Amino acid sequence: DTAVSQTPKYLVTQMGNDKSIKCEQNLGHDTMYWYKQDSKKFLKIMFSYNNKELIINETVPNRFSPKSPDKAHLNLHINSLELGDSAVYFCASSQDRAAGELFFGEGSRLTVL
Amino acid sequence: AQSVTQLDSQVPVFEEAPVELRCNYSSSVSVYLFWYVQYPNQGLQLLLKYLSGSTLVKGINGFEAEFNKSQTSFHLRKPSVHISDTAEYFCAVITPYSSASKIIFGSGTRLSIRP
Repeated sequence: DTAVSQTPKYLVTQMGNDKSIKCEQNLGHDTMYWYKQDSKKFLKIMFSYNNKELIINETVPNRFSPKSPDKAHLNLHINSLELGDSAVYFCASSQDRAAGELFFGEGSRLTVL
Repeated sequence: AQSVTQLDSQVPVFEEAPVELRCNYSSSVSVYLFWYVQYPNQGLQLLLKYLSGSTLVKGINGFEAEFNKSQTSFHLRKPSVHISDTAEYFCAVITPYSSASKIIFGSGTRLSIRP
C-alpha cells in the first residue's frame, strides 16, 4: 500500500502540449509538495500546500498550476510545455509545514521533445 | 535564511571500506537536519534525522551522522559500505519554528561502490 503515489510514472510529449501529474497520499499528512529534479539531481521546491492552502510558490512560471482538491491530493498541471521542463517531478508529503521528514513518491519523468 | 552545502558531488569507495559524506549548513537559528537517500529511479527516503538531544544519530542501513554545532556540520558515515549503498545522498535542513519554514536540500553526493 503505497504511502505517496503519483501518476503517471513516465510522460513523453511534444513542446507546446499540456500535461498533468496526479499525486495522492494516504498518510493523513497536512502538507504536500511538488519538487523538480533536474538531470544533475538538483532538487528544487516548486509548491507546497498545507490543508489545501498554497503556502510556498517558488518563482515558478505560471504555466505550472498546482491544484489541491483535498489535503490528500495535490495535482500539477503544466501548460505549453517547453524543452526545459524535462525533468523528474516528485510529489512529497509531511505531517505539517514545519516537519522536515518528507515522504516522497517515486517520481514522474517528463520528457519534452 | 538557511542553506546547506554538500562538499563532494561524487565519492567513489571500495566495498567494505568506510565512507564519510560531508554536509555543512548555515543558519542563524536552531535547525533540524536530515539525510535522505535516493536509489536509482526511486524517490528519496529518510536515512536519519537530528532534531535535538544526542549529537550522534543512527539511521537505517548502518549509517550514522554527527551533529557538530561549532563546525555547523552534519557528516554522514558508515564503517563498511556494501554495493547496495550505491545511491545519491542528500543532506537537508529546516528551521522548525519559523512561519516561513521550508526544507532546503543540498546538491547531493553520488556514492559509488567499487567491488
